[in-house]
Amino acid sequence: SQTIHQWPATLVQPVGSPLSLECTVEGTSNPNLYWYRQAAGRGLQLLFYSVGIGQISSEVPQNLSASRPQDRQFILSSKKLLLSDSGFYLCAWSTNYREDGYTFGSGTRLTVV
Amino acid sequence: QKEVEQNSGPLSVPEGAIASLNCTYSDRGSQSFFWYRQYSGKSPELIMFIYSNGDKEDGRFTAQLNKASQYVSLLIRDSQPSDSATYLCAVNSLTTDSWGKLQFGAGTQVVVTP
Repeated sequence: SQTIHQWPATLVQPVGSPLSLECTVEGTSNPNLYWYRQAAGRGLQLLFYSVGIGQISSEVPQNLSASRPQDRQFILSSKKLLLSDSGFYLCAWSTNYREDGYTFGSGTRLTVV
Repeated sequence: QKEVEQNSGPLSVPEGAIASLNCTYSDRGSQSFFWYRQYSGKSPELIMFIYSNGDKEDGRFTAQLNKASQYVSLLIRDSQPSDSATYLCAVNSLTTDSWGKLQFGAGTQVVVTP
C-alpha cells in the first residue's frame, strides 16, 4: 500500500532563517506531488506541484521554492523566512488518473517568530 | 477563475440528526468530485468521491451530484460528536489549463452537539 511521510511535524523558526520541509511517498512510482499551505482558519492554497523529477510548477509567486530530486521525494525550501510564511504545510500525492483524489501527509505546522 | 464554493458554517447539528453540506462549482468541465474531512490540527482525509449524477452511499455518508446544477452535497446521517470537523469539497476538471488539479472549497465546519 502507498504511504506518504512528511516531517517535521512542528517547527518554530526565527524570521530570516532558512527552511527545508521534506515529503516522501512509498509504494508507488511516478506520483504527482503537491505542496499546500493552510493559514489558520483558512482554506488550502496550492503552492507547487510536480509531475516528475525536476518538473516543478509554481502556483503562487512567493518566498518559497520546491524541488524534486528523486521520483518520490518532494522538498519545500526557503532561504529567508517571513512572518507571513507561518501556517500548516501539507504535502500530497496523486496518481495520473484524474478520477483519483489526493492523499495528504500529516502536515508540518510552521511558526515563524 | 474556477471556483468551488461552500458555506463556511459553523453548521450545528444535534447528535443523531442529519448534517447536510453543500458545494457549488463554476467549471462545467468538472468530472470528479471529492469530500474530505479535516479534524482540527490534522490533515484532510478523503471520505467520499462521486463521478456520476445521483447519489452514492457509503455507511452513514451519502454524496449527491447534480452536474446540470453544478452542485454536489454530502449528507451525514446519525451524526456523532466524532463527525465534528471541517469538510472540504474538491473538484477535478478535465480542462487543459487546470491539468486535472483539484480545486478545493474553503470548507464547512460541522459541530455535532450531544
